[in-house]
Amino acid sequence: DAGVIQSPRHEVTEMGQEVTLRCKPISGHDYLFWYRQTMMRGLELLIYFNNNVPIDDSGMPEDRFSAKMPNASFSTLKIQPSEPRDSAVYFCASSLSGRGYTFGSGTRLTVV
Amino acid sequence: AQKVTQAQTEISVVEKEDVTLDCVYETRDTTYYLFWYKQPPSGELVFLIRRNSFDEQNEISGRYSWNFQKSTSSFNFTITASQVVDSAVYFCALSGGGSQGNLIFGKGTKLSVKP
Repeated sequence: DAGVIQSPRHEVTEMGQEVTLRCKPISGHDYLFWYRQTMMRGLELLIYFNNNVPIDDSGMPEDRFSAKMPNASFSTLKIQPSEPRDSAVYFCASSLSGRGYTFGSGTRLTVV
Repeated sequence: AQKVTQAQTEISVVEKEDVTLDCVYETRDTTYYLFWYKQPPSGELVFLIRRNSFDEQNEISGRYSWNFQKSTSSFNFTITASQVVDSAVYFCALSGGGSQGNLIFGKGTKLSVKP
């Protein structure tokens, strides 16, 4: 298996622009997570899905953030409009019933 | 509430020294899982170990060993004969049986191994 695949690896965008991060989980995994890593806050959970259904989105910072999982093999995290404080590394992870969490390589987002 | 505390922000050792990274957790769940991840300078998160709350046996994998003590809510990680390639940030994490999906991370310990 290719593991969890995230794209793009790096994204630089201007404040106010829409940003879409993409994730392909490991085939057969039933959980998908979006995490954000910053120096100040460390690794924090934004949202997670179980069988494509959002279970807990309490970590989504504000309405500018939205996440979707239209099918078992694809998820997106969208920020609209983006702000400089959104600059971070965004990780996607997938899991089979919580038995182990495999992380993607992350997307480093810079908003200027 | 669930919480993971890694009190050591940074540790610096000389190659071949042994080093222990501390992890203390809080949870009200009776069933839970503990994890360690390594984040090298390249940035990816590498899975090291998963331990469930019913298994208090210590684990050894090569130069790595883990000590799980429910009595003190600790899950410490020891690297024996450290090497420069061990330099990374190490994260301890917890997921609860009740909210199995949510993996809570500690703030991480940055380990620097100098030659």
